[in-house]
Amino acid sequence: DGGITQSPKYLFRKEGQNVTLSCEQNLNHDAMYWYRQDPGQGLRLIYYSQIVNDFQKGDIAEGYSVSREKKESFPLTVTSAQKNPTAFYLCASTKDRVGNQPQHFGDGTRLSIL
Amino acid sequence: AQKITQTQPGMFVQEKEAVTLDCTYDTSDQSYGLFWYKQPSSGEMIFLIYQGSYDEQNATEGRYSLNFQKARKSANLVISASQLGDSAMYFCAMREMIYNQGGKLIFGQGTELSVKP
Repeated sequence: DGGITQSPKYLFRKEGQNVTLSCEQNLNHDAMYWYRQDPGQGLRLIYYSQIVNDFQKGDIAEGYSVSREKKESFPLTVTSAQKNPTAFYLCASTKDRVGNQPQHFGDGTRLSIL
Repeated sequence: AQKITQTQPGMFVQEKEAVTLDCTYDTSDQSYGLFWYKQPSSGEMIFLIYQGSYDEQNATEGRYSLNFQKARKSANLVISASQLGDSAMYFCAMREMIYNQGGKLIFGQGTELSVKP
């Protein structure tokens, strides 16, 4: 079945450490997105990519970095510059950026600080 | 700037009754889309229903319908015949239909729905 796979499900970060969250999709979607969700809050956009080798900052990009070397993959790195990384991270993709097709989401990664 | 407002942090509904979850939005664009997602406690985001700004009829998907009032900029979700499995967070989201904007979604704060047996 086609879908979006995020790994790991749970991740712990030590002070000063960079960690990378994986997002892989086999839906053949061009556009991919990373969102952050804090407890009891809505989703906020970190980065998005409309096509391979291209990505743009979202509303809260500071302390994060991404790459898009393959259509299927859009990993997110939470750097040591992100001082409050504890959150739920969701990856999404869509085949249609302007029409009625929704974004499809992975199951998320919960990141905590040790 | 775009904004989505969900004014009900929490709602209770009796099983088998209908419930309306409120969503108002703000945009200066004429072309946009509105989406509702359900997020169970496990965390995944489940797409429920879509309404385009030029759609003349309210969207329906099974037990879900969208009460779209364009002049009032509201897009309320109606769930009929509530079930215990409907207990979850519900998010309203908006997307501007501008190609180079990348299809970004702006989300509201969510409404936590609890269905009572």
